[in-house]
Amino acid sequence: IAGITQAPTSQILAAGRRMTLRCTQDMRHNAMYWYRQDLGLGLRLIHYSNTAGTTGKGEVPDGYSVSRANTDDFPLTLASAVPSQTSVYFCASSIDPNTEAFFGQGTRLTVV
Amino acid sequence: GDSVTQMEGPVTLSEEAFLTINCTYTATGYPSLFWYVQYPGEGLQLLLKATKADDKGSNKGFEATYRKETTSFHLEKGSVQVSDSAVYFCALRNSGYALNFGKGTSLLVTP
Repeated sequence: IAGITQAPTSQILAAGRRMTLRCTQDMRHNAMYWYRQDLGLGLRLIHYSNTAGTTGKGEVPDGYSVSRANTDDFPLTLASAVPSQTSVYFCASSIDPNTEAFFGQGTRLTVV
Repeated sequence: GDSVTQMEGPVTLSEEAFLTINCTYTATGYPSLFWYVQYPGEGLQLLLKATKADDKGSNKGFEATYRKETTSFHLEKGSVQVSDSAVYFCALRNSGYALNFGKGTSLLVTP
């Protein structure tokens, strides 16, 4: 089934550890995004990529990095996790930057 | 910058009641507008969309009309079901930018 796959589904991570959240889409969408969802704050954009080889910063990029080596994959890396990065992370993609986005099932990350 | 404001929840309704969830926006230009739904433990799903003024998006009995004069995109459903219990997000997208979401409105429908 076509769509977006995120891994892992959930993770408990010690503070200071490095972690990469994986995101793969098989829809050949050009644009991909990472959001975090926190209670009372809705979804906030972390980083985005309008096409393979390019990335940009969103609303809350500090402490996170991304890469877009090919069309399908858009990993999100926490270089040194902190408790404030405890959240649910959603990857999304769209055909282009002007159309609706499709979302993965999310990764629940707890930093302790 | 662009922003979306939704009515705060939670909203609790009895089955078959009429639903309205208010959404207003601030944006330059002519954004596209969306409603997404998130069921418990799941990701967001596109519910409906409208790409220009006076467009009406509809899906699964839900409707919303893009009102440029009032900068609104209110979500409505004539008769809600228990299965509609979820969190609803209003969002806008200006050309070339990522989706900008409201904070979400939780809906609980009781039998």
